[in-house]
Amino acid sequence: DGGITQSPKYLFRKEGQNVTLSCEQNLNHDAMYWYRQDPGQGLRLIYYSQIVNDFQKGDIAEGYSVSREKKESFPLTVTSAQKNPTAFYLCASKGTGARIPIAKNIQYFGAGTRLSVL
Amino acid sequence: QKEVEQNSGPLSVPEGAIASLNCTYSDRGSQSFFWYRQYSGKSPELIMFIYSNGDKEDGRFTAQLNKASQYVSLLIRDSQPSDSATYLCAVRAGGNEKLTFGTGTRLTIIP
Repeated sequence: DGGITQSPKYLFRKEGQNVTLSCEQNLNHDAMYWYRQDPGQGLRLIYYSQIVNDFQKGDIAEGYSVSREKKESFPLTVTSAQKNPTAFYLCASKGTGARIPIAKNIQYFGAGTRLSVL
Repeated sequence: QKEVEQNSGPLSVPEGAIASLNCTYSDRGSQSFFWYRQYSGKSPELIMFIYSNGDKEDGRFTAQLNKASQYVSLLIRDSQPSDSATYLCAVRAGGNEKLTFGTGTRLTIIP
């Protein structure tokens, strides 16, 4: 059953604590993305990675960190430096390359993780 | 200036009518355009994508793209209560692996 799995579904963070959100995909996609969504807002890009061991900052990277040690996995750490972490976090993936079919050049999303502060 | 703009709504449409959702973008180099549907508390799901000027139809959905005027729209025919959701417009510039999203339009279909 192919797809993108995010865990946990709900996460609570204490003051000063780092927390890590998991994202795993078995779609053989090269590119993976992390977005943040606040109520009534669109998606804002935190980090993205187009290949293993490489990643780039998005529009709102401050207070977050990522790693890409395996093609299938792209975990996001919300650090204590992120002062307003309460949001819905979405992971996405897609194929890459100039010659991939158009239908594969599409981002697909996991179910999301809802993070709240205790 | 926002790069991708949508009317936040809410847009209320009677059941069976046509719902029209609009999106404008600022980057003339944009080449790929996507419409995602997001139910409350859920993640976005792709419903349409379009690359060329003109119309693209898929069932009750039609995407329309006008690159000269820098807008893309989504028409939903024979609207159903299950179409009630937030619709996100996303745009990708050529050669860019990132998507830029609008803030979404909340659509409510009134039975």
